[in-house]
Amino acid sequence: DAGITQSPRYKITETGRQVTLMCHQTWSHSYMFWYRQDLGHGLRLIYYSAAADITDKGEVPDGYVVSRSKTENFPLTLESATRSQTSVYFCASSELLTGPGNTIYFGEGSWLTVV
Amino acid sequence: RKEVEQDPGPFNVPEGATVAFNCTYSNSASQSFFWYRQDCRKEPKLLMSVYSSGNEDGRFTAQLNRASQYISLLIRDSKLSDSATYLCVVNKRTGTASKLTFGTGTRLQVTL
Repeated sequence: DAGITQSPRYKITETGRQVTLMCHQTWSHSYMFWYRQDLGHGLRLIYYSAAADITDKGEVPDGYVVSRSKTENFPLTLESATRSQTSVYFCASSELLTGPGNTIYFGEGSWLTVV
Repeated sequence: RKEVEQDPGPFNVPEGATVAFNCTYSNSASQSFFWYRQDCRKEPKLLMSVYSSGNEDGRFTAQLNRASQYISLLIRDSKLSDSATYLCVVNKRTGTASKLTFGTGTRLQVTL
């Protein structure tokens, strides 16, 4: 059971470059999410998707683009990377919108450094 | 004021000790609550949901106090393997949308 996988796991890129982080889940979960985690901020939602072709902004969407042409994939693109986007990025999925007893499953994370 | 606040710790406790963490939330419309565990350089994983009546899972007990707007996590008989960061998560539904807010986490270090 592969679950939810992210690639690349580690990436160093230069300022101004476009970077795409891939996310793939095998559960056919409807909901998928992208979070970033920074010291002192906790996990912050970048974008989420309720189904294929439906995406919506989260708390910190600026500088990011997402798409969801297939239920199982939810790539996150940094159009022109900046140093402030150096972070750990977690993709997540859930079957339902959260509620008691429901679980969000996270990928292992993508460590991105922008130099 | 942050929507979800936690003491960052670290809480350093000896093996076998009982330790408790609190988490406060600011939005009284929050509807569901969770504790997630995150090991160093790993992804968060659900530890337990928190119900109004309180709930227990082995050595772990979670409580919710809506009047004072806080949730707590109690760990009894701490094990070395409990060393991790514990994230408080609060969910608020607005219509068909749902907003999960994560606390910054409380770090626990269990020592011999």
